[in-house]
Amino acid sequence: QSALTQPASVSGSPGQSITIACTGTSSDIGAYRYVSWYQHHPGKAPKLLIYDVTNRPSGVSNRFSGSKSGNTASLTISGLQAEDETDYYCSSYTTRSTVIFGGGTKLTVL
Amino acid sequence: DVQLLESGGALVQPGGSLRLSCAASGFTFSNYAMNWVRQAPGKGLEWVSSFSESDGSTYSADSVKGRFTISRDNSSNTLYLQMNSLRVGDTAVYFCVKDQATLARGRLEVWGQGTTVTVSS
Repeated sequence: QSALTQPASVSGSPGQSITIACTGTSSDIGAYRYVSWYQHHPGKAPKLLIYDVTNRPSGVSNRFSGSKSGNTASLTISGLQAEDETDYYCSSYTTRSTVIFGGGTKLTVL
Repeated sequence: DVQLLESGGALVQPGGSLRLSCAASGFTFSNYAMNWVRQAPGKGLEWVSSFSESDGSTYSADSVKGRFTISRDNSSNTLYLQMNSLRVGDTAVYFCVKDQATLARGRLEVWGQGTTVTVSS
């Protein structure tokens, strides 16, 4: 099963908003609401930002939000901060009872 | 605090075996599904396997099916990954990950720091 499709990189200026898209198929993103997003600073443990498409775990800033339409999910980061510069991954549960990740997106804060 | 501490990573030759362990603390281990996720050097995250506590079901990625086996010991709060017939492509940092619920649905809530497996001759 191929990975979900994310842009390799996105960029934005401090204070701006950016959106990262994650495209899958009717067998993963399109099948369920089990879409998650993770922030990963290299060398550290990844951090869950969003689960079940739109839900934020306790302690995650409300600057992070998620949505889904059809086979595409999106992560929006508003009020960009320098500390947001790192890698972001989407994932989805699939109809084969497996989990599939996107290839990752590197966010640069200009 | 929830803590996940992986161990067992090492340098191993192609075709060899290795068992990873993950010691869990700070939560009721038997109430949650658990997962292994890996990251090869310079690559993205790849889900490896999950163990749902609610029904005892296990699932694995096609890339490791038939070679890797996930298991758990709720009496010692430990998750395992038995890795056989290792390949150079299995070289990665392996993360132990707590799910949000008893049934694994990819809600990877808490991650360990990872243990490094290197497969090379």
